[in-house]
Amino acid sequence: AQTVTQSQPEMSVQEAETVTLSCTYDTSESDYYLFWYKQPPSRQMILVIRQEAYKQQNATENRFSVNFQKAAKSFSLKISDSQLGDAAMYFCATERDDKIIFGKGTRLHILP
Amino acid sequence: EPEVTQTPSHQVTQMGQEVILRCVPISNHLYFYWYRQILGQKVEFLVSFYNNEISEKSEIFDDQFSVERPDGSNFTLKIRSTKLEDSAMYFCASSEAEVWGYTFGSGTRLTVV
Repeated sequence: AQTVTQSQPEMSVQEAETVTLSCTYDTSESDYYLFWYKQPPSRQMILVIRQEAYKQQNATENRFSVNFQKAAKSFSLKISDSQLGDAAMYFCATERDDKIIFGKGTRLHILP
Repeated sequence: EPEVTQTPSHQVTQMGQEVILRCVPISNHLYFYWYRQILGQKVEFLVSFYNNEISEKSEIFDDQFSVERPDGSNFTLKIRSTKLEDSAMYFCASSEAEVWGYTFGSGTRLTVV
């Protein structure tokens, strides 16, 4: 079975600073995909970034980047230059066998 | 940018009533999904749908639930006899391929009273 663990229920960061959200996962597969989704107060689910497990290079998307450590099964999200609009729930997720498994989420607060 | 559209955005229904949640996936997508999120809890997989049939379903997706793609564009989730514990946000999602990550709709907030 696959599980996704986000050990930080809530985090806060000062505007313009950098924050890292942690995620670990458990899988027996060698080929899989990892995602970070953002859920703002509107509760929509927005794909932030995607990583393919067979790629060693960490994915980046503007101010968002990941630190993917395959051996450690760790997939953290770094947000640089935090903005007020980044305030949201962030869900780490892994995809395999036609479905996405989500972690419980980390609520990120941005302090002005 | 293409969107997944869900209607209604909020539905209130009486316990025991049937509800149909509607979704219009992105037009060239082939894989369709329903997820739900009970308030304050994590997003849970309900069902995946491909080639006009269910490809996988979770334990949550019991006989009270059904999905349909009636006309090639809409993708519906029906709950036959709603229970209080069905109150949740229901998300539809679609993807072009299995491994690209989904595009989610804005969700339908279902309140069962």
